Amino acid sequence: QKEVEQDPGPLSVPEGAIVSLNCTYSNSAFQYFMWYRQYSRKGPELLMYTYSSGNKEDGRFTAQVDKSSKYISLFIRDSQPSDSATYLCAMSSYNQGGKLIFGQGTELSVKP
Amino acid sequence: DTAVSQTPKYLVTQMGNDKSIKCEQNLGHDTMYWYKQDSKKFLKIMFSYNNKELIINETVPNRFSPKSPDKAHLNLHINSLELGDSAVYFCASSQDPGAQGWMTFGSGTRLTVV
Repeated sequence: QKEVEQDPGPLSVPEGAIVSLNCTYSNSAFQYFMWYRQYSRKGPELLMYTYSSGNKEDGRFTAQVDKSSKYISLFIRDSQPSDSATYLCAMSSYNQGGKLIFGQGTELSVKP
Repeated sequence: DTAVSQTPKYLVTQMGNDKSIKCEQNLGHDTMYWYKQDSKKFLKIMFSYNNKELIINETVPNRFSPKSPDKAHLNLHINSLELGDSAVYFCASSQDPGAQGWMTFGSGTRLTVV
């Protein structure tokens, strides 16, 4: 069993839809939770960063962490064609030298 | 100005060859990483250097050898390439090992072994 599980999709939605992306994990030591966005043929770029449990909002993006359920989510409101990319969740624990454990990534396509 | 740059972007080579990938960052970061992304987009850490010192060395065949001549550069040398080495290799950097995910990635080197 992988430490971090993420539905690879692909996920296709119409423009303007609300998108929900999720990851589950097994390691209770994880304290830092991230969402990276990766466009085709590009490197991942950090989109959202959350420490421990709770919500964080940035424009159309909301990240949620539920440590009790070992479950994290990314919500995208009013999705745009420019949001079409692969979304990777990533996690780390304290004092691991910056080592990130990634989910497999969910490929999202937003249709105009 | 590219923050984390890798060369080459594409590399096609035959089995058994030796090849190197270079990475440079101009962000002034102390820590650099190599990640491997397989055909299913699964991204996994290989190595990490902090100020030229190796701090993470995952279970990677010893045909892979990283080298950091200074804290702005981290190169990856691969000996005796195998078909299974075909993947996209990403270099990344962060302010320090404790940055906990605040990483900047390069655009990747797509390696194809034939």
